[in-house]
Amino acid sequence: AQKVTQTQTSISVMEKTTVTMDCVYETQDSSYFLFWYKQTASGEIVFLIRQDSYKKENATVGHYSLNFQKPKSSIGLIITATQIEDSAVYFCAMREVDSNYQLIWGSGTKLIIKP
Amino acid sequence: GGIITQTPKFLIGQEGQKLTLKCQQNFNHDTMYWYRQDSGKGLRLIYYSITENDLQKGDLSEGYDASREKKSSFSLTVTSAQKNEMAVFLCASSIKGGSNERLFFGHGTKLSVL
Repeated sequence: AQKVTQTQTSISVMEKTTVTMDCVYETQDSSYFLFWYKQTASGEIVFLIRQDSYKKENATVGHYSLNFQKPKSSIGLIITATQIEDSAVYFCAMREVDSNYQLIWGSGTKLIIKP
Repeated sequence: GGIITQTPKFLIGQEGQKLTLKCQQNFNHDTMYWYRQDSGKGLRLIYYSITENDLQKGDLSEGYDASREKKSSFSLTVTSAQKNEMAVFLCASSIKGGSNERLFFGHGTKLSVL
């Protein structure tokens, strides 16, 4: 069975520090895609970053990077030099390559950046 | 760039009423989705469609119908609104596979049932 778990419901850090949000997943497939999305206070959801399971190199986009540990079925999101506007809810999601475009979503982690 | 437009932004209904939510995208994406998000919770898939006139049920399809008559539009019908129901319905679209696959979301329709 496919499942995505985000155990951290809420994290609070000081501005300009680095934060890591955890995500573990379950899948029987050897090929899959992992995504992180951000939902702002206004409700808007935007795509942040993606990791393909066959790629060994961790994805990086701007001040977002991933810590992909395939043997542990883990895909952590790292935000460096956090800013107030990074305060949001972050969702992890997975899609198996052979699935029919259906994403499996985690329950989200609320990130609070304190000034 | 493109945009996903959901109408209406707010929808107030009566118990038992049939309610329709609309979604338009100008990305020319093949796949479209309807998600439900309850307050403080994650996203649950109601329906998705991989092409015009295609409909696929998600885990939460009971109580809903969907329609994809054109590639650019995807509508969702709440067949019988439940009293005190309150949720945000999110429409999304995506490119069909490939390295650019990701979801683009609309701003949501907030439903309240009296």
